[in-house]
Amino acid sequence: AQKITQTQPGMFVQEKEAVTLDCTYDTSDPSYGLFWYKQPSSGEMIFLIYQGSYDQQNATEGRYSLNFQKARKSANLVISASQLGDSAMYFCAMSYASGYSTLTFGKGTMLLVSP
Amino acid sequence: DADVTQTPRNRITKTGKRIMLECSQTKGHDRMYWYRQDPGLGLRLIYYSFDVKDINKGEISDGYSVSRQAQAKFSLSLESAIPNQTALYFCATKPSLNTGELFFGEGSRLTVL
Repeated sequence: AQKITQTQPGMFVQEKEAVTLDCTYDTSDPSYGLFWYKQPSSGEMIFLIYQGSYDQQNATEGRYSLNFQKARKSANLVISASQLGDSAMYFCAMSYASGYSTLTFGKGTMLLVSP
Repeated sequence: DADVTQTPRNRITKTGKRIMLECSQTKGHDRMYWYRQDPGLGLRLIYYSFDVKDINKGEISDGYSVSRQAQAKFSLSLESAIPNQTALYFCATKPSLNTGELFFGEGSRLTVL
């Protein structure tokens, strides 16, 4: 079975510092995708970044980058120069080719950014 | 207007009542999903559909049913609501391209008393 694990229930970071949110996954499918979503207190789900299993380079989107270590089955989200507005719940998710394009989500990490 | 619209946004109901959550989308995507979010459990897949003739159970389909009335509409029903179905429910859509992300509605918060 496909599985996503986020081991950090909560993380604290000071404004302007970088923070890494951990995500490990388990799949036997060679073709898969990894996603990160942000959920602010208002509740909506905001897509942040995507990494395909065959992508050679780590994905980046502005202040977000995905540290993809395939051999370790990890897909950590790195947020550089944290801002107060980054305070939110963050979810890692995975899709896999044999799973008809459904996404399996981790339990999430709550990030709090302090001034 | 939002690309993926859920109604109602908030609903309080009593045990045993039938509830329908509706989802409509203007993104033109074939794939539609219903997820439920509980604190500490993340999002779990209830049902998904790849077209109007294709309905599939997800991880936690017991106690729920769905209807895909059209490409743009996907509704979730609780035939007889129970308190442990109190949760935040999300509808989502996805393009057919496997690498595409999910596009979420704003969520429907359901409380069953």
